[in-house]
Amino acid sequence: GIQVEQSPPDLILQEGANSTLRCNFSDSVNNLQWFHQNPWGQLINLFYIPSGTKQNGRLSATTVATERYSLLYISSSQTTDSGVYFCAVEWVAGTALIFGKGTTLSVSS
Amino acid sequence: NAGVTQTPKFRVLKTGQSMTLLCAQDMNHEYMYWYRQDPGMGLRLIHYSVGEGTTAKGEVPDGYNVSRLKKQNFLLGLESAAPSQTSVYFCASSYVAGEFPDEQFFGPGTRLTVL
Repeated sequence: GIQVEQSPPDLILQEGANSTLRCNFSDSVNNLQWFHQNPWGQLINLFYIPSGTKQNGRLSATTVATERYSLLYISSSQTTDSGVYFCAVEWVAGTALIFGKGTTLSVSS
Repeated sequence: NAGVTQTPKFRVLKTGQSMTLLCAQDMNHEYMYWYRQDPGMGLRLIHYSVGEGTTAKGEVPDGYNVSRLKKQNFLLGLESAAPSQTSVYFCASSYVAGEFPDEQFFGPGTRLTVL
């Protein structure tokens, strides 16, 4: 099956710093989503981005489908950005998402 | 518009007991999914449904059953709970854009402990 690898596994930042999270996948995908799981366990949709670039406030994402990777950029990080960031791909059209193991982000003030 | 809701939020069971988790969505989505999340891991698919009256197995279906009698509801059943089923369970739903499902939206999760 498809492999979804996220890096780095852990990231510690000072408030105000920028960061880049990476998601590599081993096969062509139909869809790709980025999620933020906050410290209370809630999963929040960040981006639905099978290809191209999207921006939402301080966050942006780029997926290069032909090279099988996606990047999530967080600028001017805040303590509320802490949590786990998951990349998930839809490998076979019409089936469920395959999740990576996540990047745990800790932002301190 | 409540989105995706799950009932209950927390539950503790003894080994061998049964229970049903309820997922409801008010977005008129065709597709619904049940995932489980274990510590330090991403989510894994248990079962999913592509429409009312249909269900299919996912990556880790053993020990679970599901039903989709109404479009807005997707039930996950544990007939005889085991400690290995201690996990956080997430439900999700998605609409169909064109031929295939699109972005998935997740519920708040149910934390289940089996003693």
